[in-house]
Amino acid sequence: DGGITQSPKYLFRKEGQNVTLSCEQNLNHDAMYWYRQDPGQGLRLIYYSQIVNDFQKGDIAEGYSVSREKKESFPLTVTSAQKNPTAFYLCATSRQDFFYEQYFGPGTRLTVT
Amino acid sequence: GESVGLHLPTLSVQEGDNSIINCAYSNSASDYFIWYKQESGKGPQFIIDIRSNMDKRQGQRVTVLLNKTVKHLSLQIAATQPGDSAVYFCAERGEYPGNQFYFGTGTSLTVIP
Repeated sequence: DGGITQSPKYLFRKEGQNVTLSCEQNLNHDAMYWYRQDPGQGLRLIYYSQIVNDFQKGDIAEGYSVSREKKESFPLTVTSAQKNPTAFYLCATSRQDFFYEQYFGPGTRLTVT
Repeated sequence: GESVGLHLPTLSVQEGDNSIINCAYSNSASDYFIWYKQESGKGPQFIIDIRSNMDKRQGQRVTVLLNKTVKHLSLQIAATQPGDSAVYFCAERGEYPGNQFYFGTGTSLTVIP
């Protein structure tokens, strides 16, 4: 996990509520990413950010939002518009977007009932 | 990456034997590949990477082989240990302009003591 912190490890929410997942890094990496992992599937990119105050949608951005106000932080909000939010969410960082290896945090398991 | 499905391919090896985990990638223009190890409930850990201008790269007890002709990657683990039990998956970097990584579904390795 290195210097990437995701909290909390487990999160439970009722359907219809927005929830924000935290991701903090002290690796001084420019790029940060959010992925979603579902059983039997590869990681899927939700959003990524190459630099502070800038971010781009990944393949499955619908129902999610992000912000990048500080280099160290890239929080992900799962909104009520996300149809199937229960999943394992992984934050990752890299020195430069997609050119170098990505390092992952420990993940947050979100359960929405 | 590997085929998508509900069940992961599995591999069981005896402690001390060598393990070979395979990955077929989809894009002949992919130029960078990474192998990750993921233990249950944790984030993926970077193991080793290889760029498309190489056929082979060695790390500590691990070797990655790249066959661009048949779009195939393999990860070889020497003298497999119980601590190597985990899910292993490959990631390929897509081509410009997106450049994002695409992840395989993984192979579950079990080491028998």
